[in-house]
Amino acid sequence: GAGVSQSPRYKVTKRGQDVALRCDPISGHVSLYWYRQALGQGPEFLTYFNYEAQQDKSGLPNDRFSAERPEGSISTLTIQRTEQRDSAMYRCASSFPQETQYFGPGTRLLVL
Amino acid sequence: AQKVTQAQTEISVVEKEDVTLDCVYETRDTTYYLFWYKQPPSGELVFLIRRNSFDEQNEISGRYSWNFQKSTSSFNFTITASQVVDSAVYFCALTPSGGYQKVTFGTGTKLQVIP
Repeated sequence: GAGVSQSPRYKVTKRGQDVALRCDPISGHVSLYWYRQALGQGPEFLTYFNYEAQQDKSGLPNDRFSAERPEGSISTLTIQRTEQRDSAMYRCASSFPQETQYFGPGTRLLVL
Repeated sequence: AQKVTQAQTEISVVEKEDVTLDCVYETRDTTYYLFWYKQPPSGELVFLIRRNSFDEQNEISGRYSWNFQKSTSSFNFTITASQVVDSAVYFCALTPSGGYQKVTFGTGTKLQVIP
């Protein structure tokens, strides 16, 4: 079956612009996670959804970052007023409850 | 708080050599899961194994084997007879087994297999 998909795969934007990153989880996976991975580092947790409910957003670095999953399937991570320090790989993962997380290919964001 | 330490930043081996990637973890949870993921040069993150803290049996899958030792809080990964296709960054990770799984990753070990 299809894995987790993310779009766009690459995004170049200018500082100050807003960006929206999309994640389409594996069909049937109720849990969805967002991570951010800096170069040379492991992924770091940003936020988690169970169905459409955002259960934990403790990893979001500041209020410029937000996420939603309105129908319990596709999720969007939005970064407002982007800054150069936001440049990173943004990864989405999905799973059945308490099961292994499977990751998408990631969106590489570059803020100029 | 949870922490995963992968002290080896980069390892280079010659093809067909065996190589072990070290992973040491810290957690206050009594039950937890440990993982290894592979990130090849193409960039995706590929799941390799999940191990429950209750199960300390070593596991072998083809050329891959994992040694879980609760007494030393280690979950090491050995590749036997390495191949060029094994070249990748390998991440060890940890999550509590109760509730949802907020995964804590190590910083990764970059493995280069030289032909």
